[in-house]
Amino acid sequence: AQKITQTQPGMFVQEKEAVTLDCTYDTSDPSYGLFWYKQPSSGEMIFLIYQGSYDQQNATEGRYSLNFQKARKSANLVISASQLGDSAMYFCAMREGTGDKLIFGTGTRLQVFP
Amino acid sequence: DAGVIQSPRHEVTEMGQEVTLRCKPISGHDYLFWYRQTMMRGLELLIYFNNNVPIDDSGMPEDRFSAKMPNASFSTLKIQPSEPRDSAVYFCASTPVGGSVKHEQYFGPGTRLTVT
Repeated sequence: AQKITQTQPGMFVQEKEAVTLDCTYDTSDPSYGLFWYKQPSSGEMIFLIYQGSYDQQNATEGRYSLNFQKARKSANLVISASQLGDSAMYFCAMREGTGDKLIFGTGTRLQVFP
Repeated sequence: DAGVIQSPRHEVTEMGQEVTLRCKPISGHDYLFWYRQTMMRGLELLIYFNNNVPIDDSGMPEDRFSAKMPNASFSTLKIQPSEPRDSAVYFCASTPVGGSVKHEQYFGPGTRLTVT
């Protein structure tokens, strides 16, 4: 079974609108961390936001927020007020327990149009 | 602070040649990871080190691949002999231990390898 599932291969959003990128995960470990990374066309992987399994509140970082629904095992990324520069691949990832490794999803390509 | 540094940024080589990719992690980071990214397989973890010691190399595809970390500031990933199916972007990432519960990984810019 896939540990991280991103079901949207591509998404379109108009500039200044909000967009939600979906991510579901599968783990039996009560302790885990969830991450989102952005990969623009230039290729680098940029860390965006983190949510711990025991965190009481949803994580926020500027225009990025994480809609964490533990019972549903989902950790969707919400980008508010989209900008043209947000066009990129977005990857969801998970670290289980005290493990060191990150497990990545297949990514969602977001395109922001004027 | 300088980020993770990788060299070369681009490498084009012929099948059968030896390829060496290099990585300098962020100073003070104790973990170093090597990933490979392709369209078909996405982002795959190849191997990672903790305090210069290889911890998990289960992602290394075959014996043609080897990785070393002779000191805390340098790691290499070697492919010998290279094959066209090795063409990919290879990323190095590092993360600190302790302090941050997040253990977020900081990625280098990647090396785009093309084997003809």
